[in-house]
Amino acid sequence: QVQLVESGGGMVKPGGSLRLSCAASGFTFSDYYMGWIRQAPGKGLEWVSYISSTSTTINYADSVYADSVRGRFAISRDNAKNSLYLQMNSLRAEDTAVYYCAREGRGYSSMDVWGQGTTVTVSS
Amino acid sequence: DIQMTQSPSSLSASVGDRVTITCRASQTISSYLHWYQQKPGKAPKLLIYAASILQSGVPSRFSGNRSGTDFTLTISSLQPEDFATYYCQQTYITPRTFGQGTKVEIK
Repeated sequence: QVQLVESGGGMVKPGGSLRLSCAASGFTFSDYYMGWIRQAPGKGLEWVSYISSTSTTINYADSVYADSVRGRFAISRDNAKNSLYLQMNSLRAEDTAVYYCAREGRGYSSMDVWGQGTTVTVSS
Repeated sequence: DIQMTQSPSSLSASVGDRVTITCRASQTISSYLHWYQQKPGKAPKLLIYAASILQSGVPSRFSGNRSGTDFTLTISSLQPEDFATYYCQQTYITPRTFGQGTKVEIK
């Protein structure tokens, strides 16, 4: 069945780095835009980034990041491996959240498939 | 950035009640407005996309409507499994902003 599985979360000190991964299955990964959304403890959803279906790298200058992460996070994908990534650098306490990967479906870029989430904790 | 303002932030309702949640965009977003349901400890689930189109498998008691930059999610007869937090999201332009959420609780 259609599935997204995130991994790579954990605890990191402020200023540190983490790389999140999202493994896709059950659909043609290379046909879809993909995105990352996060949710801080007890808070609402925050859109983080998206990547087009064929793009492999995104320049920091592109408008595909939330202001809160632009210049620190980098989204990428490997269509041969059906995988999405989020490289997170210069992490701050306010980046602590559950990070979800999601598929942008055909319907006006709505997010129609979500992973279960991976938890990132930034703390000294 | 486009601001999405949801109201109310929370509500209490009984099983069988009709519930309406509103989301207002700070500028035009055409019909690029979607509704999600999230239960505690779970990932969000798409309910309605493009303002009024029901996602496959979602019960017909859920409906969405658009009037200009105002959007509504209506649950015609609240069921026990509908107690959750609901979010709107615009995907008209980036950043693809979410509303702050509406928590639907049991009265």
